[in-house]
Amino acid sequence: DVKVTQSSRYLVKRTGEKVFLECVQDMDHENMFWYRQDPGLGLRLIYFSYDVKMKEKGDIPEGYSVSREKKERFSLILESASTNQTSMYLCATLGQLNSPLHFGNGTRLTVT
Amino acid sequence: RKEVEQDPGPFNVPEGATVAFNCTYSNSASQSFFWYRQDCRKEPKLLMSVYSSGNEDGRFTAQLNRASQYISLLIRDSKLSDSATYLCVVLTMNTGFQKLVFGTGTRLLVSP
Repeated sequence: DVKVTQSSRYLVKRTGEKVFLECVQDMDHENMFWYRQDPGLGLRLIYFSYDVKMKEKGDIPEGYSVSREKKERFSLILESASTNQTSMYLCATLGQLNSPLHFGNGTRLTVT
Repeated sequence: RKEVEQDPGPFNVPEGATVAFNCTYSNSASQSFFWYRQDCRKEPKLLMSVYSSGNEDGRFTAQLNRASQYISLLIRDSKLSDSATYLCVVLTMNTGFQKLVFGTGTRLLVSP
């Protein structure tokens, strides 16, 4: 069974802080994704990575960056957190083509 | 027009009722389709994949209509535990990458 682990379940940060959200998977999947989920807007793709050191912008990359130094780990970075980045962040992995996504249990980030 | 559209609901039904949700998609090249279930403050979890010929899993039936570009989910004999948000997910190949697009979800409330 695929396991996707996000480092924190709840996080509270101050405006302007640099924030790291970590995601680790144990299934050797190439594709990893970061989404944010907000009421009424659904899940929106921030960034994804299809291989080590490879990254692609999703639909809402502004204010975020990512790092994929190892296959199992995909990090989301908020360079300078802002209150509009308060959200639920979900990491997901994808194995072979046409297979479903596997999600981590999410990080609820509050920026004050 | 959104790539994937769902009626947000909520659908309020009594226990034992049959309820159906539809999800429309705009990209005719979409290849794979999934229904996810999301409980409040939890991550989405795969409910079922949707196959061209339609598929059934217990009380749940999923169907795909490529001509009209929609998928459906039918739940028979609703249980209280079926109360959740149901997300439609569409996978498309986009410039060599797999692109997954989520609907905003349909909320189901099953009452005694």
